[in-house]
Amino acid sequence: EVQLVESGGGLIQPGRSLRLSCSGSGFSFGDYKMSWVRQAPGRGLEWVGFIRRTVYGATTEYAASVKGRFTFSRDDSKSIAYLQMNSLKTEDTAVYYCVRDISVPGDFLYFDYWGLGTLVTVSS
Amino acid sequence: QSVLTQPPSVSAAPGEKVTISCSGSSSDIGKNHVSWYQQLPGTAPKLLIYENNKRLSGIPDRFSGSKSGTSATLDITGLQTGDEADYYCGTWESSLSAGRVFGGGTKLIVL
Repeated sequence: EVQLVESGGGLIQPGRSLRLSCSGSGFSFGDYKMSWVRQAPGRGLEWVGFIRRTVYGATTEYAASVKGRFTFSRDDSKSIAYLQMNSLKTEDTAVYYCVRDISVPGDFLYFDYWGLGTLVTVSS
Repeated sequence: QSVLTQPPSVSAAPGEKVTISCSGSSSDIGKNHVSWYQQLPGTAPKLLIYENNKRLSGIPDRFSGSKSGTSATLDITGLQTGDEADYYCGTWESSLSAGRVFGGGTKLIVL
């Protein structure tokens, strides 16, 4: 059974840093792109970005709202993806979901498995 | 403001049919496949429909998707109280670098 489990969320002050982890099991982690999607309290879904497979250099793409502040990485030997969040703002407060990203550029795209999410609250 | 436009809410009685729309443009829905997600209260979203009209294994055939031009729809027939949830559409946005976009979400109320 495919499972994704996020961890690392919590209460953090504006301007500080936080690292989230996403542990995958039940599938060959290294064979998949991994995206992060967030949901602010009472709001809709917002794509944060993704990290490609290591065979493609583990390159990354970011939404404009987090570019330059957030960084993705992965350790396929441990089946873990990371989201390093720096210079946090109050508007980054959200539940952060790790999702398995199934996509071919210009063709299909869907997120077939989602973690339960981890809540990040940015507040002084 | 979301790139894809969905009605904030729709409602219908048990047993009835409801349609949720997702409107985009030539640079998103017009060029790419659409997926649909269901988020039950207090839970993570889950994939219902991918590539416009393919149901994920285990999803009842009461759920169906379609796409025409720059719009997509999710139909739910034989409504059940357990279908009450938020529904989101999603696709690529071709003008953004590898951008993935969602609709703002539609709350389905089963009367």
